[in-house]
Amino acid sequence: DSGVTQTPKHLITATGQRVTLRCSPRSGDLSVYWYQQSLDQGLQFLIQYYNGEERAKGNILERFSAQQFPDLHSELNLSSLELGDSALYFCASSPVGVWNGYTFGSGTRLTVV
Amino acid sequence: SQQGEEDPQALSIQEGENATMNCSYKTSINNLQWYRQNSGRGLVHLILIRSNEREKHSGRLRVTLDTSKKSSSLLITASRAADTASYFCATDEGNTPLVFGKGTRLSVIA
Repeated sequence: DSGVTQTPKHLITATGQRVTLRCSPRSGDLSVYWYQQSLDQGLQFLIQYYNGEERAKGNILERFSAQQFPDLHSELNLSSLELGDSALYFCASSPVGVWNGYTFGSGTRLTVV
Repeated sequence: SQQGEEDPQALSIQEGENATMNCSYKTSINNLQWYRQNSGRGLVHLILIRSNEREKHSGRLRVTLDTSKKSSSLLITASRAADTASYFCATDEGNTPLVFGKGTRLSVIA
């Protein structure tokens, strides 16, 4: 157990639907990062939150949004889902600075049918 | 966009052999990190090397960094079947999230 908890582990949904992925960071970590991993694109950075505020934005589609709550857990909302959104979605957390690297959760495997 | 590019994309070796993976990157970095991912699982941080370091060891892992060539290598000595995984390099450019390469798939055959 890495200390980063992601739910659900698996999600199957239909095109056009909306889903919410949840992440609880490791205790004490203020930064949360969301990454998307697909076979052809590798690991793509989506968005970062630090202590409740958006810190950095990557290749995140307008159909996707995220937030970090006061208890530091984060949610990634994916809407108007398309077949191409099928991927593994990872959450990672880190303390201030990255000198010890990120701690990753086990991911949510999203399948859009 | 990918900063790091791992080479080779896939590597198959016998148990007991050494495995070497390379990573090239494009911009100046604060540090470079290596991660391991077992199939379908989360990434696990292995080792971090800072831009002012040239070599670092951790158990059976040896990482080198050549900032003049913008490249790094990860050596796993005396490989075991349990080392079978994908290995990713990630670069820290400072105040930006880590940028990962596409990884090297290592297969260690018993």
